[in-house]
Amino acid sequence: NAGVMQNPRHLVRRRGQEARLRCSPMKGHSHVYWYRQLPEEGLKFMVYLQKENIIDESGMPKERFSAEFPKEGPSILRIQQVVRGDSAAYFCASSPSQMMDTQYFGPGTRLTVL
Amino acid sequence: DAKTTQPPSMDCAEGRAANLPCNHSTISGNEYVYWYRQIHSQGPQYIIHGLKNNETNEMASLIITEDRKSSTLILPHATLRDTAVYYCIVRDNFGNEKLTFGTGTRLTIIP
Repeated sequence: NAGVMQNPRHLVRRRGQEARLRCSPMKGHSHVYWYRQLPEEGLKFMVYLQKENIIDESGMPKERFSAEFPKEGPSILRIQQVVRGDSAAYFCASSPSQMMDTQYFGPGTRLTVL
Repeated sequence: DAKTTQPPSMDCAEGRAANLPCNHSTISGNEYVYWYRQIHSQGPQYIIHGLKNNETNEMASLIITEDRKSSTLILPHATLRDTAVYYCIVRDNFGNEKLTFGTGTRLTIIP
C-alpha cells in the first residue's frame, strides 16, 4: 500500500508566477489535509478537504491560495502570484473516512520563490 | 495555539531508553494525545496515540498519567535513526480534524 505521494518534491518559481502542488492520498483515504512549514518554524494547518468539498479552510491565507480535491485525481494546492514569503515546505496528509482517524503525511513539496 | 508544553531539546545515549515528556494540563475528557516525529525536514511520521490508557506499539510506548495532565513517550532502545523533532499533540474527537503542532522536542541520539 503506497503512502501519501506529493509532487513535485521541489518547485522553484519566480515572484508573480503560479505554483501548483499535488497530493495523492493513500489508497482508500478520502480526507486530505494541507500543512505549511516555514523555514525554522513548526507545521501550521492550512486546509482540510474531503472529495469535492472544503471542510475547514481556517488556516488558508485569504488571498492567492486555493485548494481542491476533485472526485477524480489528486488534491491540488494552488498559489497564485507567489511572493518570497511563500517559500516553505508544504505537507499533505490523508486519513480514512472515519472521524479521528490518524493522519499520515507525505514527503512534502519544497517551494522556493526567487 | 498548541495545548502542550515540551522541553526544547534532549539527548539520549544510543541503546538506552529515550523518555520524552509532554505537559497538557488543560486537556479535556474528549481529547486524545498524539505523538509524531519529523526526521530532518521529512514529512511528519505518526508514532502512537492514546486517550487514557497506556499504549504500546512496535515503535514506542505512551504512558499517560491518571489525571491525564501529562504523558511520556518512551523509545525503548534508541538508535541514531531516532534523532528527530518529536511533537506531542492534543486533539479532540468532535470534528476538529486538524493537528496543531507546537515546537516539539529535538531529540539527539548520541553514539
